[in-house]
Amino acid sequence: QVQLVESGGGLVKPGGSLRLSCAASGFTFSDYYMSWIRQAPGKGLEWISYISSSVGTMKYAESVKGRFTISRDNAKNLLSLQMNSLRAEDTAVYYCARGRHSSGYYHDYWGQGTLVTVSS
Amino acid sequence: QSVLTQPPSASGTPGQRVTISCSGSSSTIGSNTVNWYQQLPGTAPKLLIYSNNQRPSGVPDRFSGSKSGTSASLAISGLQSEDEADYYCASWDDSLNGPVFGGGTKLTVL
Repeated sequence: QVQLVESGGGLVKPGGSLRLSCAASGFTFSDYYMSWIRQAPGKGLEWISYISSSVGTMKYAESVKGRFTISRDNAKNLLSLQMNSLRAEDTAVYYCARGRHSSGYYHDYWGQGTLVTVSS
Repeated sequence: QSVLTQPPSASGTPGQRVTISCSGSSSTIGSNTVNWYQQLPGTAPKLLIYSNNQRPSGVPDRFSGSKSGTSASLAISGLQSEDEADYYCASWDDSLNGPVFGGGTKLTVL
């Protein structure tokens, strides 16, 4: 069965960095787009980045552009998010999700999330 | 503010039919399909409806989706207590060239 397991969250000071990982299993990882989506405490969902299956395309939301970098290692079935220059407003649960690019675009499987807290 | 607009709350009694609306624009819902996600308290979101009206395997047929113009709706019939959750609509934004979500609707089963 499809499994997505995030790790790497924690407490970091403003201006600091953190690297999130998402270990995928149960499907051919290299065939799918992957996204990072976050949810601030008590708030809604915000898509922040996706990467195409072949690593040819990466896209970011304006709120994280220039500070966050998405990457993937198809040999290791691993998705990553490097987060730099973190701000208090980046505090959220970060989910990785598998993207389906057929008949539109949607996220059919989600991980359980990892909490990132940016605070001094 | 979210790109897609949903009512913040909705409610119904067991057995009732409830609908949740989602409003977008020509660059979002007007030219792309709509998806719906259910987030039960304390859990990750789960895909409920994709491509406007398609249900993934395992989703009861009590849940249905529709789209017209730049708006979409999620309908839940035969409301059950376990349907109490947050519901999010989502679509693609041609201007952003990325997916966008609604602000979410908290459904309460009275």
